[in-house]
Formats: sequence, structure tokens, C-alpha cells
Amino acid sequence: ETGVTQTPRHLVMGMTNKKSLKCEQHLGHNAMYWYKQSAKKPLELMFVYNFKEQTENNSVPSRFSPECPNSSHLFLHLHTLQPEDSALYLCASSPAGTGNYNEQFFGPGTRLTVL
Amino acid sequence: SQQGEEDPQALSIQEGENATMNCSYKTSINNLQWYRQNSGRGLVHLILIRSNEREKHSGRLRVTLDTSKKSSSLLITASRAADTASYFCATDDSGGSNYKLTFGKGTLLTVNP
Repeated sequence: ETGVTQTPRHLVMGMTNKKSLKCEQHLGHNAMYWYKQSAKKPLELMFVYNFKEQTENNSVPSRFSPECPNSSHLFLHLHTLQPEDSALYLCASSPAGTGNYNEQFFGPGTRLTVL
Repeated sequence: SQQGEEDPQALSIQEGENATMNCSYKTSINNLQWYRQNSGRGLVHLILIRSNEREKHSGRLRVTLDTSKKSSSLLITASRAADTASYFCATDDSGGSNYKLTFGKGTLLTVNP
């Protein structure tokens, strides 16, 4: 248990559906991240929020829309996805701003399948 | 461009043997971290080594860092079946954000009982 929870753990959706992934951290961290992990590819950073402000958007298509209402919660809203978006979506948090190093704490991930 | 590259991509050993995984990177870094991931789960932080450190130990883990060669190694001694997982190195770019990490593709370690 890392202190970062993600729901749902598994999600199957059609290309026309709208769904949301939720991440919550109980660690008092200030930075939160969304990553995409596809088979045989490195972990891809999607978004970074630092003190609720988005500080990184790694050229992510607009069909992925993040939301960070406070430092403890992070959402990823999904709409009109493509089958190639099927992947494991990982949320992480870190105590950004406390030094020049940064251990990240990951949630268990949401396994997304787009039909 | 790819920052961390682990080598080998896959490693299979017997319980009790040592496992060594390597990581190479391209840019100057503040620190390098190693993470472990069990199949289909999130990553778990194992150890962090700063750019001014050359070696670090944590239990059965030993990490080395050679900044002149831009490489690191992770040694797991006396491996156990429970060590079976994927192992990733992650670096931060010393010229970039201190909270952004770049991960490699990972080494899949299988420890056979």
C-alpha cells in the first residue's frame, strides 16, 4: 500500500463513451502525475500538476482531459478514445518542492480497454 | 528521446543467484532512481542515488552510478522467487524540472524457484 489509490482498477469502454479515472493520495504531497504504460514501451508521462496547477502536458491528445481540484485528488476524463489508447494508466504523487530529488509514489493503476 | 535504457531486457536466474541490471542515460542528472513493478501493478520505489554518490546499499540491493559513463547498475543479491518483477531506472534532467522523471523500458527479471 503506497498511499495512492486509483479507481476503477479495470475499465472497458466503447469509443463513444465518456468515463473518468480517479486518483487520490493520502501522503500530503504537492505534485501529482498521470502516466500511460503500454506494452513494450517506456512509461509515458502525460500530465503533471504541482500545487494544483498543471505544469506539464506532454503533447497529450485532447480526448484526455485532466482535472486537479485539490492537491489530494486527480482525475483523468476520457472521451472519444481510440483502441490504441488501451493501456495501464498510472497515477503518482511526490513531495515536489522539498529538494532536488523526487521519489514518486504510484497507485496500482487502471487497466483501460477501448473497444 | 529515450533517457533511461535498461539492459538486459529480460533476465532469468535461479533462486539464490545474484541479478545485475544496467541502465544508461543521455543527459546530466540530479539523481537516478530504481523502481520495481509487479505484473499489472504500480511501480514501487526501491532506491535513489544522487549524482555525487557512487554506490548505495539497501538490504539486498546495491546500486552504483558512474556519471562519466552515464550509467548505473542495480545488483540484487541472493535472489528470491518474490523478486520476480520488472525493474526500471528513472532519471531527472538536471537542466529541467526537479519533479519530472524519465523512465526506461525496464528489465523483466524472472527468479526461478
